[in-house]
Amino acid sequence: GAVVSQHPSWVICKSGTSVKIECRSLDFQATTMFWYRQFPKQSLMLMATSNEGSKATYEQGVEKDKFLINHASLTLSTLTVTSAHPEDSSFYICSAKPRLAGDDEQYFGPGTRLTVT
Amino acid sequence: GESVGLHLPTLSVQEGDNSIINCAYSNSASDYFIWYKQESGKGPQFIIDIRSNMDKRQGQRVTVLLNKTVKHLSLQIAATQPGDSAVYFCAEKSPQAGTALIFGKGTTLSVSS
Repeated sequence: GAVVSQHPSWVICKSGTSVKIECRSLDFQATTMFWYRQFPKQSLMLMATSNEGSKATYEQGVEKDKFLINHASLTLSTLTVTSAHPEDSSFYICSAKPRLAGDDEQYFGPGTRLTVT
Repeated sequence: GESVGLHLPTLSVQEGDNSIINCAYSNSASDYFIWYKQESGKGPQFIIDIRSNMDKRQGQRVTVLLNKTVKHLSLQIAATQPGDSAVYFCAEKSPQAGTALIFGKGTTLSVSS
């Protein structure tokens, strides 16, 4: 149990276009989902915390108008990278916290590789 | 076995050796710590966790040690295998940060047979 999926697993888009990444909890409901960004050979950096039915909380330095997060249901959160540029190329990873679990439980998705050309 | 006193980005060991990976965490108020394993192109995989009221916890072939005095965390892997080759991250959670995890720098473990 406790499986988190991401779609797509990789995407290539042209500079200036927008791309949407989905994060789904497959066998549990998630009140909170987190979005991380990971550049090559670096650690995971928290971008934002997404709570179902409310606005996401963004970390300092993350542009909320560029990285749109929608957590419309208890099993789905989406991250849309708007007007993507080559510097947005990165590995985007989500994690999900089960609704009925303790505060410490969260499960990671497999990541989405974004390449902006 | 190989050990790392301070955090180093890479660690190379022979199969069968014991590995020790170190991590310095930043927030003295952090009360929960996790070690993750990340293989190339994949998401983090949970290995073992420890709460701040403990100083040692053992799993299968892995042991986590916590030294709150110097804000230091270590992961010991016994009888390291080629399948253990990956990047290892420590993560911390503090009450002030809610349920978000803050990741430390990773260590790339390479196991040769």
